Amino acid sequence: QVQLVQSGAEVKKPGASVKVSCKVSGYTLTELSMHWVRQAPGKGLEWMGGFDPEDGETIYAQKFQGRVTMTEDTSTDTAYMELSSLRSEDTAVYYCATSLTTAIYFDYWGQGTLVTVSS
Amino acid sequence: EIVMTQSPATLSVSPGERATLSCRASQSVSSNLAWYQQKPGQAPRLLIYGASTRATGIPARFSGSGSGTEFTLTISSLQSEDFAVYYCQQYNNWPFLALTFGGGTKVEIK
Repeated sequence: QVQLVQSGAEVKKPGASVKVSCKVSGYTLTELSMHWVRQAPGKGLEWMGGFDPEDGETIYAQKFQGRVTMTEDTSTDTAYMELSSLRSEDTAVYYCATSLTTAIYFDYWGQGTLVTVSS
Repeated sequence: EIVMTQSPATLSVSPGERATLSCRASQSVSSNLAWYQQKPGQAPRLLIYGASTRATGIPARFSGSGSGTEFTLTISSLQSEDFAVYYCQQYNNWPFLALTFGGGTKVEIK
């Protein structure tokens, strides 16, 4: 069983950056393809990006290109998602999510981290 | 980017009745389609992958069908715990194409 435990809620001012962590247990991070999905209040799910283990690259959704960075610390089995130049529209719950298969659907999710952007 | 369109936005169903949810893709995604259930304050839960395969622990009243551009999630006899929002997600040809979710269908008590 994979368990994903995320860092706590954050409140940020417009223009700032936020870094959310996702700690993996049950498996090692190198055995997984970690992705990030966000959900604005009352809205649907939005994929932000994820790791492609085939070539070792992280693929970002075009919408977030240049503003998001996803990294991994394999020594602690922790994944990170950093989003910069925050604006009010970035207020959302951010989830890490993964699968044990090569097909990218998500059978394991973190509990979510609420990021609030407000002046 | 493949656009996923779910209908209806809201479905009002009585307990014990059948619910049929639709998901349409703007281009073929073969059978690379998953369904999730989400309850308020919770992370999504995987129900179906490969368009029709139930995930581990998912009751048999949930079934998925379709391929190409048209997909259906059927809940054969709604239980109280099934009232939630349901999302479809395509994962066809990743990483060459982005993953995308549908806008969701809320199943509410009639």
